[in-house]
Amino acid sequence: EIVLTQSPATLSLSPGDRATLSCRASEPVTNNYLAWYQQKPGQAPRLLIYATFNRATGIPDRFSGRGSATDFTLTISSLEPEDFAVYYCQQYGRSPMCSFGQGTRLEIK
Amino acid sequence: QITLKESGPTLVNPTQTLTLTCTFSGFSLDNTGMGVAWIRQPPGKALEWLALIYWNDDKRYSPSLKSRLTITKDTSKNQVVLTMSDMDPVDTATYYCAHVELRLPGFDFWGQGTLVTVSS
Repeated sequence: EIVLTQSPATLSLSPGDRATLSCRASEPVTNNYLAWYQQKPGQAPRLLIYATFNRATGIPDRFSGRGSATDFTLTISSLEPEDFAVYYCQQYGRSPMCSFGQGTRLEIK
Repeated sequence: QITLKESGPTLVNPTQTLTLTCTFSGFSLDNTGMGVAWIRQPPGKALEWLALIYWNDDKRYSPSLKSRLTITKDTSKNQVVLTMSDMDPVDTATYYCAHVELRLPGFDFWGQGTLVTVSS
């Protein structure tokens, strides 16, 4: 059963900084079907990236994803105030059908 | 415009069965490739995927909860129903439903979520 481990648990940065979030899978992710979500307090998650590097509709190009097999990264090139939130990675397709990482909290330094 | 909305009880007693309904619009589960998933989130904790149903009635469940979950669809009503048996206080969480389709492997539209508390 595939397990996703996100690091760091908390990332403290300032607006304008570059953020790099990591997601490591215990087994290769099927078809590199790795997605990233952003969640703000009291809101449902929002899909940012799917299948490793594809931005979802309406997502700014400061968000980018890369990786393959077991190691994946979400990069935010220059942080805006509205980017401070919790980020989750998710794999889709490998047993179990779907699973999420435990999240990375991106907080203002 | 795809929208989803969860409905069901806000409070359930331990050992009871929870029934949640996801009512959606903007797509049909009669159409090839479409699916609806259920995900939950205990207060202050991470997301947990529960179940998923596709247009062809293919159903998938979280292995750790499979014995307690049932997912069904009613395409005429544009609804997906999730039942979870033998509820426990640790099942207290916000329950979300979300849209998925095979051509886009991610949950691209989500409901607002519904908080379910398990307590006597």
